[in-house]
Amino acid sequence: KNQVEQSPQSLIILEGKNCTLQCNYTVSPFSNLRWYKQDTGRGPVSLTIMTFSENTKSNGRYTATLDADTKQSSLHITASQLSDSASYICVVILNAGGTSYGKLTFGQGTILTVHP
Amino acid sequence: DARVTQTPRHKVTEMGQEVTMRCQPILGHNTVFWYRQTMMQGLELLAYFRNRAPLDDSGMPKDRFSAEMPDATLATLKIQPSEPRDSAVYFCASGLGIGDRRNEQFFGPGTRLTVL
Repeated sequence: KNQVEQSPQSLIILEGKNCTLQCNYTVSPFSNLRWYKQDTGRGPVSLTIMTFSENTKSNGRYTATLDADTKQSSLHITASQLSDSASYICVVILNAGGTSYGKLTFGQGTILTVHP
Repeated sequence: DARVTQTPRHKVTEMGQEVTMRCQPILGHNTVFWYRQTMMQGLELLAYFRNRAPLDDSGMPKDRFSAEMPDATLATLKIQPSEPRDSAVYFCASGLGIGDRRNEQFFGPGTRLTVL
């Protein structure tokens, strides 16, 4: 069964600290992996998208890594800010081949709280 | 500033009533998705459309849910009759589909539905 597991479920850190969120998946065949940030009461917003051949992608203070061999991804947040408090969702897209749309499999998310 | 819009943002209704949620995708996007998010299940794909045609609605309870795209600027999700277990946040997302190799999706703000 295609699954995406995220850890930890929740995380509390102090402002200015770094943190790393984990995502393990069993989705196969793999097309791409995305990290979304979802603020409370808002829709998810894409942070990074990585294809099979990419093993790192940065977006400002956010850096995602991907190890397609071990089927693991991480999202590293540097110098956290209060506005980083949100849910971070890992999404893996199945490779449907050709022009077909690949099915999305969502992780349950990691709730990050940044305290001053 | 192109974005996906959804109406209403909040809806409270009584069990048995019909609920219609509306979505306006980003102009030019040819794929539209409906998702449901609950604390227990996280994000779940209900249905998706490409060029207004439904391609996958396997995640949707067919007996009470229906999704349509009357035209390229409007997608609707209808629940009839509604039940308390339908209480959730319903997100619409749109994308360029096969015109975008990464299949990126842009989420709307969601409709928070409460069925009493």
